[in-house]
Amino acid sequence: QSVLTQPPSASGTPGQRVTISCSGSSSNIGTNYIYWYQQLPGTAPKLLIYRNNQWPSGVPDRFSGSKSGTSASLAISGLRSEDEADYYCAAWDDSLSGPVFGGGTKLTVL
Amino acid sequence: QVQLLQSGPEVKKPGASVKVSCKASGYTFTNNGITWVRQAPGQGLEWMGWISAYSGNTKYAQKVQGRVTMTTDTSTSTAYMELRSLRSDDTAVYYCARDSATLTTGWFDTWGQGTLVTVSS
Repeated sequence: QSVLTQPPSASGTPGQRVTISCSGSSSNIGTNYIYWYQQLPGTAPKLLIYRNNQWPSGVPDRFSGSKSGTSASLAISGLRSEDEADYYCAAWDDSLSGPVFGGGTKLTVL
Repeated sequence: QVQLLQSGPEVKKPGASVKVSCKASGYTFTNNGITWVRQAPGQGLEWMGWISAYSGNTKYAQKVQGRVTMTTDTSTSTAYMELRSLRSDDTAVYYCARDSATLTTGWFDTWGQGTLVTVSS
């Protein structure tokens, strides 16, 4: 059972816009930054969004992050086949005194 | 460019120890910290702990506290994660990732390629 809750799966067709949610509490998302990671099949995770809505160098702006209260979302617009991957949210948790991850969402591009 | 290169796969028996290395390049090692994350087969990501390459300060997840030790060798820009008293549920891919030098927050901007540790009798 992960501290941050994500839907196990999501899907969309090429060109579509898809959102992935991440739900937490006042001890994590409610008071700390959220981070998003993309894990392509068989590879290491890659930082996608930092500090709620910032892009690391090289990440296309098709990916965007937002946060409201104790929930956050990752939106992917102009969906492409290469976006098929697992997506994880992460945040510092004040109660656990450490970073926590969501359980991950497997995105399928139909 | 910033890179983290991890040691190769390991097979260990229950009760044994494993030590995974993570060699950094492309940046000043002591300006950052290293976090360790593991992923059991078919499962999600689990944060294990963090070490500052600047101060040597560490912070471990409660789940592995007492069994894990994280160290760095600044002369070779290498971080190490040792896990003792291995159990079958420690079977996982272990990743190192670049983190803050002062405090881990969840912001891991570069990851190693991962090291598979298999615990089996």
